[in-house]
Amino acid sequence: GDSVTQMEGPVTLSEEAFLTINCTYTATGYPSLFWYVQYPGEGLQLLLKATKADDKGSNKGFEATYRKETTSFHLEKGSVQVSDSAVYFCALSSKAAGNKLTFGGGTRVLVKP
Amino acid sequence: DVKVTQSSRYLVKRTGEKVFLECVQDMDHENMFWYRQDPGLGLRLIYFSYDVKMKEKGDIPEGYSVSREKKERFSLILESASTNQTSMYLCASSLVGNGYTFGSGTRLTVV
Repeated sequence: GDSVTQMEGPVTLSEEAFLTINCTYTATGYPSLFWYVQYPGEGLQLLLKATKADDKGSNKGFEATYRKETTSFHLEKGSVQVSDSAVYFCALSSKAAGNKLTFGGGTRVLVKP
Repeated sequence: DVKVTQSSRYLVKRTGEKVFLECVQDMDHENMFWYRQDPGLGLRLIYFSYDVKMKEKGDIPEGYSVSREKKERFSLILESASTNQTSMYLCASSLVGNGYTFGSGTRLTVV
């Protein structure tokens, strides 16, 4: 079945540092890929998405590129802020799985001033 | 913007009680989902629904049931609450092929 693997946290960074969170997936066919963010005490919010190979999703300074050849969708941000402290979830949906989302385990990011 | 509203942010219930968690969405989405989120286990799908009166089991349906009598409302029911059901419960809705919109979550404690 479908699965998503992302790096375990916590990831601790200083403000203005570069952030990368690795995400790889296994899926049948051509899934859509997503990054969600969960701020403390809140539900998940869609951060960005990509629906086909080589697409780049971007939002709020975050970017991720759909790499079919490496089955990856790594999240990057060039200069993080304290307000980026959150848990980040990589996810995919595929038609074979009825378009249900399959989530990775989440990566906690802590940005220190 | 689509809004998904969960009726309670925090709930405390006693073991053996019947518990109802309510979720309402306002954008006519076909699909609705219930997840629970636990430290170290990520998000796990409990039940989902593709349409009114339709329901499908997710990965961990044991101890839970659901009801979808109207398109906008999807209820999660704990028939007899147990302490191992203490968790954060997240509701989501979506259109087919799109990402999900989540509610703010209900943190349930069973004592």
